[in-house]
Amino acid sequence: EVQLVESGGGLVQPGGSLRLSCVASGFTFSSYWMNWVRQAPGKGLEWVASIKQNGSDQYYEESVRGRFTVSRDNAKDSLYLQMNSLRADDTALYYCARNRGYEAFDYWGQGNLVTVSS
Amino acid sequence: IVLTQSPGTLSLSPGESATLSCRASQTLDSRYFAWYQQKPGQAPRLLIYDASSRATGIPDRFSGSGSGTDFSLTINRLEPEDFAVYYCQHSVTFGQGTTVEIK
Repeated sequence: EVQLVESGGGLVQPGGSLRLSCVASGFTFSSYWMNWVRQAPGKGLEWVASIKQNGSDQYYEESVRGRFTVSRDNAKDSLYLQMNSLRADDTALYYCARNRGYEAFDYWGQGNLVTVSS
Repeated sequence: IVLTQSPGTLSLSPGESATLSCRASQTLDSRYFAWYQQKPGQAPRLLIYDASSRATGIPDRFSGSGSGTDFSLTINRLEPEDFAVYYCQHSVTFGQGTTVEIK
């Protein structure tokens, strides 16, 4: 059974940092592009970042570029999102998601809430 | 690319059929087009990929169609568990969602 289990969210002050983790199981993690998608409270879905199978390529949504870094450790079947210089509008539920191909996200984690507030 | 979903809310009764629309601001590669369902407190679930292919385990009452700038999701014979929010997606862009609610 494919599973994506996230951790690392919480409350952080504006300007602070947080690192999200996503541990995968039930599939060959190193064979898939992986993604982070977020959802602000009561709002729609917003793609945040993507990373290639071997970690050599990363892509970011414009508002997080330069502040967020996506990475992975295929030996640990783990995906990460390092978030720096956090702002109030980064407050959201953050999901990790597997890309089955052509940006169709077929498995999602349970979501991890990040709240940026003083 | 902007994806505009309509209507914003669809009020229907179980057993009825629903047609959800997603219009793009420019011509899309349909290989990158997908639909998702999201219920309250749950992660999104992939329904349709490649514009018309059903994802694993998705009932055949869900169907997707379209090309170019106009895409649609049809749900035949709505079941109680189908009342949810539906999002279209092209590449990394999502539409704003359509809520299918019980009338």
